[in-house]
Amino acid sequence: AQSVTQLGSHVSVSEGALVLLRCNYSSSVPPYLFWYVQYPNQGLQLLLKYTTGATLVKGINGFEAEFKKSETSFHLTKPSAHMSDAAEYFCAVSDPFSSNTGKLIFGQGTTLQVKP
Amino acid sequence: DTGVSQNPRHKITKRGQNVTFRCDPISEHNRLYWYRQTLGQGPEFLTYFQNEAQLEKSRLLSDRFSAERPKGSFSTLEIQRTEQGDSAMYLCASSLPSGSSYEQYFGPGTRLTVT
Repeated sequence: AQSVTQLGSHVSVSEGALVLLRCNYSSSVPPYLFWYVQYPNQGLQLLLKYTTGATLVKGINGFEAEFKKSETSFHLTKPSAHMSDAAEYFCAVSDPFSSNTGKLIFGQGTTLQVKP
Repeated sequence: DTGVSQNPRHKITKRGQNVTFRCDPISEHNRLYWYRQTLGQGPEFLTYFQNEAQLEKSRLLSDRFSAERPKGSFSTLEIQRTEQGDSAMYLCASSLPSGSSYEQYFGPGTRLTVT
């Protein structure tokens, strides 16, 4: 069964510092990979996704992520944190080969705190 | 583009009561999903519709839960005889047919509190 592990339930960075949020997945085949952001009392907003092709994907708000098959990882980065980046971040996978539903399997989330 | 909408946004109910939530997906999306999110956790898949057909249900969806999507448009999720363990955020998402990488668009959620 697929699973997603996000290392670090809380990450704290200073404004302007590098953001690195870690995500590892377990899957027999490379899945589709997603990062979502959730602000308090709101739904999830898609930051970026990887399906096929280029392994470095760029998303909204200056975020990017790199798919590394050998490491089964899809870490999220941003060169310079803004106060507005403070939120909950979720990594998710879907397996387009074993399931045609497209259902997402989520990690437990990482809370990003940005200090002034 | 109105996005995915959910109603109500908040629901407080007493244990044992029935509750119903509604989700209106993006109009051209034929795929609809329900997820449940408890505090401090990621969303967990509950059920999936393609048009009006309910094609997959999670083991999390006990027999007290029922979901419908009449005419393949809006969807409802009903919980009968609510329990305190049902307290959670219920999220709805929709997406285009396969070939679109299953990118899902989420609504704002319905937060259920069972007292």
